[in-house]
Amino acid sequence: SAVISQKPSRDICQRGTSLTIQCQVDSQVTMMFWYRQQPGQSLTLIATANQGSEATYESGFVIDKFPISRPNLTFSTLTVSNMSPEDSSIYLCSVVNPGQGVTDTQYFGPGTRLTVL
Amino acid sequence: QQQVKQSPQSLIVQKGGISIINCAYENTAFDYFPWYQQFPGKGPALLIAIRPDVSEKKEGRFTISFNKSAKQFSLHIMDSQPGDSATYFCAASNSRNYGQNFVFGPGTRLSVLP
Repeated sequence: SAVISQKPSRDICQRGTSLTIQCQVDSQVTMMFWYRQQPGQSLTLIATANQGSEATYESGFVIDKFPISRPNLTFSTLTVSNMSPEDSSIYLCSVVNPGQGVTDTQYFGPGTRLTVL
Repeated sequence: QQQVKQSPQSLIVQKGGISIINCAYENTAFDYFPWYQQFPGKGPALLIAIRPDVSEKKEGRFTISFNKSAKQFSLHIMDSQPGDSATYFCAASNSRNYGQNFVFGPGTRLSVLP
């Protein structure tokens, strides 16, 4: 299994500011994902971050709003830019731990709870 | 075709009872079906998973039943305990398509009464 940590665990931010969320994994992984989970809702994929290439964004999410870095195989950051109250949510990073040559188990970090005033 | 449907939205069970959550999918390319458990303030944690080559998988009090022809799978929690109170998400993916995103169901909020 993979152990994932996220920083910060929670934050309260002012409208118009930006917040960078860090995700650290205890082992090297090829694929990392960033999700958003609004209160009481399911998980919505923001983007897939692979080391050495541009992140791939899902429909409705753009790089200018959610820039992602993936400098190595154990670390990634997600920035929420020019925040508005609608960005208040839990942001989760996850990794896929390739097992026996196939993509299977996905592990999640503890999440970052963001509140935008 | 990418959607995973999940029901019920919420479930209340007495301690010691059986909790049953159902999911259905459309994409026949899906071949990996995990269930995640999420407690308030925590990230989702993998609970149990199944591949379509078996019809049932049991781990302790948790059992997945899988019906390939109906494209349905369900989670059974036997002898439900108050500590099982959490939100449960089913998911599906195509493990042969490396990079294929996991598709999550909308979640079921389970409350087990003492």
